[in-house]
Amino acid sequence: GENVEQHPSTLSVQEGDSAVIKCTYSDSASNYFPWYKQELGKRPQLIIDIRSNVGEKKDQRIAVTLNKTAKHFSLHITETQPEDSAVYFCAAKEESGGYQKVTFGIGTKLQVIP
Amino acid sequence: GAVVSQHPSRVICKSGTSVKIECRSLDFQATTMFWYRQFPKQSLMLMATSNEGSKATYEQGVEKDKFLINHASLTLSTLTVTSAHPEDSSFYICSASGHLIPNTEAFFGQGTRLTVV
Repeated sequence: GENVEQHPSTLSVQEGDSAVIKCTYSDSASNYFPWYKQELGKRPQLIIDIRSNVGEKKDQRIAVTLNKTAKHFSLHITETQPEDSAVYFCAAKEESGGYQKVTFGIGTKLQVIP
Repeated sequence: GAVVSQHPSRVICKSGTSVKIECRSLDFQATTMFWYRQFPKQSLMLMATSNEGSKATYEQGVEKDKFLINHASLTLSTLTVTSAHPEDSSFYICSASGHLIPNTEAFFGQGTRLTVV
């Protein structure tokens, strides 16, 4: 089955600096890669996603890159703000012919220091 | 985004009793629902995947007779924790996705904090 590894597990950055979280996956059949932000006690919220036919996607301060050959994808947050502090999860999803399977990374606790 | 409602948000039950958790998609047809368990400061562990009208597919190590999943309609899936024990205490969260658009995100419910005493 799919195995998603995520690192680092914790990350502290100064406000205004950039943060990068990296994930690798093992199953080449995975074709959709969402990133979720989970604040304490709340549900995970999708912040950005990328499909396997795209190499990079950007949404304001957030960007995601995907290298299908190497089977890794990364989340980049620029100009970090204190409200970016949360746990971030990457995931790899395989979806084909009505079959779906989602595997999450272990999560990265991001702390943005004012 | 789409709305997924999970109920109850918190439940305390006695050891040996059963607890039912509901997951509803309010504004879309959820052909697939996922049930996760999340331990404190840990990731989401997929327990099972259910497709409407079919039996759920359980992940390795998850007891299907203990965690009963029903996905009888395109808007409702339920997870019943049977004969609950203190070690079943955890945060359970569902997510739902549809097939209208391929490779779409799964929308999460708000989660259920289960405490077995």
